[in-house]
Amino acid sequence: EAGVTQFPSHSVIEKGQTVTLRCDPISGHDNLYWYRRVMGKEIKFLLHFVKESKQDESGMPNNRFLAERTGGTYSTLKVQPAELEDSGVYFCASSRTDLLNSPLHFGNGTRLTVT
Amino acid sequence: GEDVEQSLFLSVREGDSSVINCTYTDSSSTYLYWYKQEPGAGLQLLTYIFSNMDMKQDQRLTVLLNKKDKHLSLRIADTQTGDSAIYFCAEKEVDYKLSFGAGTTVTVRA
Repeated sequence: EAGVTQFPSHSVIEKGQTVTLRCDPISGHDNLYWYRRVMGKEIKFLLHFVKESKQDESGMPNNRFLAERTGGTYSTLKVQPAELEDSGVYFCASSRTDLLNSPLHFGNGTRLTVT
Repeated sequence: GEDVEQSLFLSVREGDSSVINCTYTDSSSTYLYWYKQEPGAGLQLLTYIFSNMDMKQDQRLTVLLNKKDKHLSLRIADTQTGDSAIYFCAEKEVDYKLSFGAGTTVTVRA
């Protein structure tokens, strides 16, 4: 079974530019989550999809961040325009909806550096 | 979100036991987790414990939970160089959302 894959693994952009991160969850996992770790601090929840619907986006920092999951498969997270404080590692995770306490499977993350 | 706190660094000699500590604040947490992140890799679920348990053992790993004090610990017996990584404590706030600590960087020295 393929794990959660994220692309790109690294991205370096200038302040004001746009970046789009992609996440492919494990096949059959309806739950998809985005998390972020900024500057060695705690990993913070950003949002949660169930299939193509946003279940909870309370962790999204501001309206420069837009997440989509058209068709309920892969998801994208776009940052436009990027600011310096957006630098960090963005993790995607997926899990099943049909199992109690289905564990979250994380991808390797995308390291975003905004200069 | 709720606060999860853990010490940032731990240095341990190869072959010794490592103990990583964590405190959390949400008394309604149902599950508590330990994740491991090796360099360049994602978060790997190491183990978890249900809140009505006080101990769970899995090979070299022992998880202790003191629900009264909201304290969670992870003990790694016979620590190896491959155990060098960042270890994250996490609590489940609601059915889907995890609240993580800042991570403890464990360095194993020869």
